[in-house]
Amino acid sequence: EDQVTQSPEALRLQEGESSSLNCSYTVSGLRGLFWYRQDPGKGPEFLFTLYSAGEEKEKERLKATLTKKESFLHITAPKPEDSATYLCAVLYSSASKIIFGSGTRLSIRP
Amino acid sequence: NAGVTQTPKFQVLKTGQSMTLQCAQDMNHNSMYWYRQDPGMGLRLIYYSASEGTTDKGEVPNGYNVSRLNKREFSLRLESAAPSQTSVYFCASTRWGGGGGEQYFGPGTRLTVT
Repeated sequence: EDQVTQSPEALRLQEGESSSLNCSYTVSGLRGLFWYRQDPGKGPEFLFTLYSAGEEKEKERLKATLTKKESFLHITAPKPEDSATYLCAVLYSSASKIIFGSGTRLSIRP
Repeated sequence: NAGVTQTPKFQVLKTGQSMTLQCAQDMNHNSMYWYRQDPGMGLRLIYYSASEGTTDKGEVPNGYNVSRLNKREFSLRLESAAPSQTSVYFCASTRWGGGGGEQYFGPGTRLTVT
């Protein structure tokens, strides 16, 4: 069964405490993996697209990596404004199907 | 450049009523998507349109219909609303090609069916 699983469901960190969020997937014909940030009451905000194993992308304190089975979103020295829900999704098959994980709620304490 | 716009932002319906959610994008993207987001269940794909003139079912299509009116617009219709369709609905458009892709979301429509 095609599936995307994110862990942990929730993560509370102290400001400056680095950590990683995980997104594992089981789909056939991966075309790309997306990471998003979602603030309460708003639509998801696009962060990165990764296409092949070994690829890495960075934006400010965020770095996304991809293997054949999973992706990690590394957060370095987070600040309270990084608090949000982080979603990953995979685009797969030739029919442009997309599946989302259920997200990780990240909370950064000052 | 407005990106992806959705109307209305909020709606309350009675069971059995019908309505259409509107979505438009000005980024010249080929693919457009409708999702619903429920607490604890993440985003689930209702329908998508890989290109103008085509539509396909996603994970949860029952009770919905869609129309890809042109390249810019993709509407979602509830013919006979049910309380189970209470949710937040998001439209998204995707640029995919030339070795890359990005997906952008609208602000959402918060629908309550009583």
